[in-house]
Amino acid sequence: DIQMTQSPSSLSASVGDSVTITCRASQNIITYLHWYQQKPGKAPNLLIYAASSLQSGVPSRFSGSGSGTHFSLTISSLQPEDFATYYCLQSYSIPLAFGGGTKVEI
Amino acid sequence: EVQMVESGGGLVQPGGSLRLSCATSGFTFSDHYMDWVRQAPGKGLEWVGRSRSKAISYTTDYAASVKGRFAISRDASQNSLYLQMNSLKIEDTAVYYCVRDLYETSGYPGVWGQGTLVAVSS
Repeated sequence: DIQMTQSPSSLSASVGDSVTITCRASQNIITYLHWYQQKPGKAPNLLIYAASSLQSGVPSRFSGSGSGTHFSLTISSLQPEDFATYYCLQSYSIPLAFGGGTKVEI
Repeated sequence: EVQMVESGGGLVQPGGSLRLSCATSGFTFSDHYMDWVRQAPGKGLEWVGRSRSKAISYTTDYAASVKGRFAISRDASQNSLYLQMNSLKIEDTAVYYCVRDLYETSGYPGVWGQGTLVAVSS
């Protein structure tokens, strides 16, 4: 099974900051890596799919990069509505696996 | 508009059974992979299982933690997905989400329902 290691588990930032969250896969997943945002009490929302493709309707301050085993999500110029928990997910092989999550706090 | 609405959650005793439903609309149900994902209270996301599209004979896969206890099925006439949960354990307590892949047979979980809460407790 593929393991996903996400870091950091939490971070503190201010409005306007740029932040980067990383995800490492235990084996090559090519670009089968996706990023989700989740706010308290809500379902997750897809931000980035296939490592670097921006989902329709998602602001361009969100970007994804990486391939193979190392991936990152960058939020440039944090906005108040970006304070949430972020998860990566690999869909290269079954079982699908999520990272442990990163809570972005003020 | 694409919609998935889960139902069937509730309180059940350990060892009991529950069947979750996911009613879908706004897309061709048979053409999409569908996943169940759960989230225990205060915890992260956990993939539960998958039902592939009609073209792949609606084949299913499961996480090791639920294999042999949970079963995913579809009723194409009702555009509905189901999760039959048997031999429930306390650790199955979670919000269960129905998730459609982003585009046909991509396998990229992309569109989420609002979730239904399952509580396993005596």
